[in-house]
Amino acid sequence: EVQLVESGGNLVQPGRSLRLSCEASGFTFEDYAMHWVRLVPGKGLEWVAGITWNSDDTGYADSVKGRFIISRDNAKRSLYLQMISLRVEDVALYYCVKAARPESETSGYANDAFHMWGQGTVVTVSS
Amino acid sequence: SYVLTQPPSVSVAPGMTATITCEGDNIGSNSVHWYQRRPGQAPVLVMFYDDDRPSGIPERFSGSNSFNTATLTISRVEAGDEADYWCQVWVTTRHPPEVVFGGGTRLTVL
Repeated sequence: EVQLVESGGNLVQPGRSLRLSCEASGFTFEDYAMHWVRLVPGKGLEWVAGITWNSDDTGYADSVKGRFIISRDNAKRSLYLQMISLRVEDVALYYCVKAARPESETSGYANDAFHMWGQGTVVTVSS
Repeated sequence: SYVLTQPPSVSVAPGMTATITCEGDNIGSNSVHWYQRRPGQAPVLVMFYDDDRPSGIPERFSGSNSFNTATLTISRVEAGDEADYWCQVWVTTRHPPEVVFGGGTRLTVL
């Protein structure tokens, strides 16, 4: 059974930093691109960032580019999101998401569906 | 930027058919994916690549995509189908590629 368990969400002040983690199990982690997607209260789903299986390519939403960094450690079967200069508009439930197909079939992190989602971790930014 | 438009809400009686649309400029040339989120739960992929059902999704769920409208159809609606639904595409004409979600549709089972 695929499991994605996020952690690291917290209440922080604007301008501060936070690092989210996601531990994966139940599938061959290094075969898949991975993503962070957030659910913004009152607004809906927003893709945050994606990363290829070997970390050679990453992509970011314009709203987080230059402030967030996605990374992964295949040996630890873990995905990370380093967030700096947090803003009030970053308040959301952050999900760790596995791509639908192995990257050998998609060539990159883009163009695939978001197949399996964790339960999410809450990030609150407030003074 | 590319925009996907969904109706904010759809209501349907149990046993009837629910149709949720997702409109976008020439969306038929993109692959559309659909997600369901029941209250308090993680999103679930219910349809991918327009009309392909992931394992475990009932046959009552079907999808289509043509010209400017993609559609998620839920036949014989059950109380458990009450949820928020989002459509999603990748816009690969931009570099780097970007993800676009629709605004979401709240499905209410009367």
